[in-house]
Amino acid sequence: DAGITQSPRHKVTETGTPVTLRCHQTENHRYMYWYRQDPGHGLRLIHYSYGVKDTDKGEVSDGYSVSRSKTEDFLLTLESATSSQTSVYFCAISESNRLSEQYFGPGTRLTVT
Amino acid sequence: GQQVMQIPQYQHVQEGEDFTTYCNSSTTLSNIQWYKQRPGGHPVFLIQLVKSGEVKKQKRLTFQFGEAKKNSSLHITATQTTDVGTYFCAVPGGGKLTFGQGTILTVHP
Repeated sequence: DAGITQSPRHKVTETGTPVTLRCHQTENHRYMYWYRQDPGHGLRLIHYSYGVKDTDKGEVSDGYSVSRSKTEDFLLTLESATSSQTSVYFCAISESNRLSEQYFGPGTRLTVT
Repeated sequence: GQQVMQIPQYQHVQEGEDFTTYCNSSTTLSNIQWYKQRPGGHPVFLIQLVKSGEVKKQKRLTFQFGEAKKNSSLHITATQTTDVGTYFCAVPGGGKLTFGQGTILTVHP
């Protein structure tokens, strides 16, 4: 498995609180992604990064923000968590471009009560 | 973005039976990727197909890319309990990968 870690692995939080999820890679890959996975919806892209301080929105970006201050770290922030953001969040990385194979982290299970 | 239809959504087989999942696109694809996700795990890249009519094998898994590059299939011969999980295809579109909804495979021993 590629060197990707996510923290925390599990989190329960209350509606309205901010939450930050961290993705850390040791592969020095340029591209990093945040997905959410929900039953019946597969994997949906939230945001991605194509370099330090370079980020862009995916298909379900509302309510989320990201930051990438170092190559190895990509942070996903839920500014004010809602119950609809209860999901499993996966970070992924790819080396050469946005269309090359992606390597996924172990995931973070987030529950918003 | 790119739309891809993956079928079936669920497949239950007895151990030893074969299994096939399909991905279909309305537009010509430059390539297609396949991933596997074990229950409770994360998606793992299996393979990428690029050429029209391409066939690739990984042990009991056979991957095909259609001649028109609009569809692809993943076939598992003689399933084993270790094959359980969700199989996803992923296709490029709008400058990003779009994942199919996946086929959930259960294997009864």
